[in-house]
Amino acid sequence: DSGVTQTPKHLITATGQRVTLRCSPRSGDLSVYWYQQSLDQGLQFLIQYYNGEERAKGNILERFSAQQFPDLHSELNLSSLELGDSALYFCASSYTGGLSEKLFFGSGTQLSVL
Amino acid sequence: SQQGEEDPQALSIQEGENATMNCSYKTSINNLQWYRQNSGRGLVHLILIRSNEREKHSGRLRVTLDTSKKSSSLLITASRAADTASYFCATGGNTPLVFGKGTRLSVIA
Repeated sequence: DSGVTQTPKHLITATGQRVTLRCSPRSGDLSVYWYQQSLDQGLQFLIQYYNGEERAKGNILERFSAQQFPDLHSELNLSSLELGDSALYFCASSYTGGLSEKLFFGSGTQLSVL
Repeated sequence: SQQGEEDPQALSIQEGENATMNCSYKTSINNLQWYRQNSGRGLVHLILIRSNEREKHSGRLRVTLDTSKKSSSLLITASRAADTASYFCATGGNTPLVFGKGTRLSVIA
């Protein structure tokens, strides 16, 4: 158990809908990262937060947004969903948020857009 | 892009044999990390090698790094059925970790 908690584990929704994925980092970790894993694109970095502030941005679509709350949990919001958004979404955490730091991953949220 | 690329994409071996996976990347790095993923579950960190290191060991794992060739290899010795998983290299530099697409290892009992 990595100590990173993601909910829900599975999500099935329809095109055009909006969903929210939730992540609680390991106790003591200040930084949260979101990654998207799909068969064709592999593991893609979306966005990183450190202590409530956005620190780095990757291949995150404008339809997606995220935030980190004062209690350090994070939410990833996906809107106007398309079939191609179906993927496994991972949250990871680290203590300092250093760019080369070892990451601890949650078990992921499997999103299916029908 | 710093994205690592693993080779081979898939590897099937018998229990007890050694498994070698390779990773190539494109730009300068601070470190290179290897992670394991069991069938769609979360990635688990295995080992980190810094850019000024050439070889590192952890249990049955041996990692090498050649910064002049921008490549790394992961050797798993005396493999077990429980080693069946996907293995990813990730490069650490001036962006958050960038992962390759992985090598799928199957260890047959």
